[in-house]
Formats: sequence, structure tokens, C-alpha cells
Amino acid sequence: EVQVLESGGGLVQPGGSLRLSCAASGFTFSTYAMSWVRLAPGKGLEWVSVISGSGDKTYYADSVKGRFTISRDNSKNTLYLQMNSLRAEDTAVFYCVKHKEAQWLRNAFDIWGQGTMVSVSS
Amino acid sequence: DIVMTQSPDSLAVSLGERATINCKSSQSVSYSSNSQNYLAWYQQKPGQPPKLLIYWASTRESGVPDRFSGSGSGTDFTLTISSLQAEDVAVYYCQQYYSDPPPGTFGQGTKVEIK
Repeated sequence: EVQVLESGGGLVQPGGSLRLSCAASGFTFSTYAMSWVRLAPGKGLEWVSVISGSGDKTYYADSVKGRFTISRDNSKNTLYLQMNSLRAEDTAVFYCVKHKEAQWLRNAFDIWGQGTMVSVSS
Repeated sequence: DIVMTQSPDSLAVSLGERATINCKSSQSVSYSSNSQNYLAWYQQKPGQPPKLLIYWASTRESGVPDRFSGSGSGTDFTLTISSLQAEDVAVYYCQQYYSDPPPGTFGQGTKVEIK
């Protein structure tokens, strides 16, 4: 079964850091781009960051550029999101998502994790 | 950035009736070189992650009931539920993945309820 499972969420103070992980299984991880998408309370979905299958290309939403870093370890079938300088407005459920078609960065998302909650508050 | 605007924000439809959700992009999300519209639709039920319904504007994802259909091109797109079922109560989002470089953007969501 194709699935992804996030971990690492929690409560952090403003200005703090957190690293999210996403364990993937059931597909050839290295051939698919992966993304992080978040859903803030009372808001809509926001595509936060994307990484190519090999990890050589990364892109970010303007709202997180310079603060968040996406990475992957294809030997461990794991995706990461390092979040620094966290703000209250980063409070959200963060989803790890698999792109539907191999090698496509600009693509729909066919597999979503259950999400991990990140709360930024003092 | 390409802004995606959905309408309406919410709608209530009787069981068995048609539900129509519109999505408009601030610029075309149609790529001329491959004639594809870089547009997807997702369904999100309470407490669950979003689920892919439609991609490339009109291609139904495997396992999605055929009462769901997508149409449109360029800047104007529509998701139609031909005969609303109780299990279709959810928030629906459109997403453009045309932006180059990525990431793309989502619409604000449309909440569908039973009348």
C-alpha cells in the first residue's frame, strides 16, 4: 500500500524551530517529487514547499522562504521540513504529499498523510 | 502569483440534485506545448486529509465515482457533482500547479452541505 506518515509536530514558542519528518512506503520514493502542504485553522490549503525526486531542486512559498528548508533522504525513504524562526501564523496541520506522476514537479497530489499539527504560541 | 478564486464559498444542495463549483484563475493555467490545463480538484471531509478527485482539469482519479466531473480551460473551471450523495458533504478545493517555478496555489475552498 502506498502511504506517507508524518511526525514531528508539536507546540513551539515564537522564534523556535521544529523538524517534520515523513516516512514513505509502497512506491519508488526517489522517482517522485514530494511536497508539504499546510492547513491553518479557519483558512484554506497552502502549498508550502516542493522537492524533486533526486533532491536537487527545491522551491518555497514566499510566506516561508528563508525560514523553512525541505530535504529528503532517498536511502531512508524520508522527507523532511526544517522550520526555523516560527511565527504564530505558521500554526497549521502540515501534510506530506506525493506527486501523482513520476518526475513531475508541477503536478497534482495523489497521496496525502494524515497530517501533523504544529502550534506556535508562547 | 496566480490567484485562484472559487465560487460560491458554500452551497446547500438537496440529495440527488446537481452541485456545481466554479474556480477562476487570475491568469491562464493552460500550457500550450502539451495542451494541458494544470488544474486539480480535491475533497476534504472533516478530520481527514484532502483526497484527489480530478487532475489535468478533467481526468478523474482512479476510484472516484463518476458523478464527479471536471471541465473548463484557460482560466475558468468547474467541478460538478451530478447527483449529490450524503457522503459528498465536504470542502472542495481547486489547485493550480501551472506556476513555474512551483509551488502553485489553492482556491479558498467551497463547503458543500445537504439542503
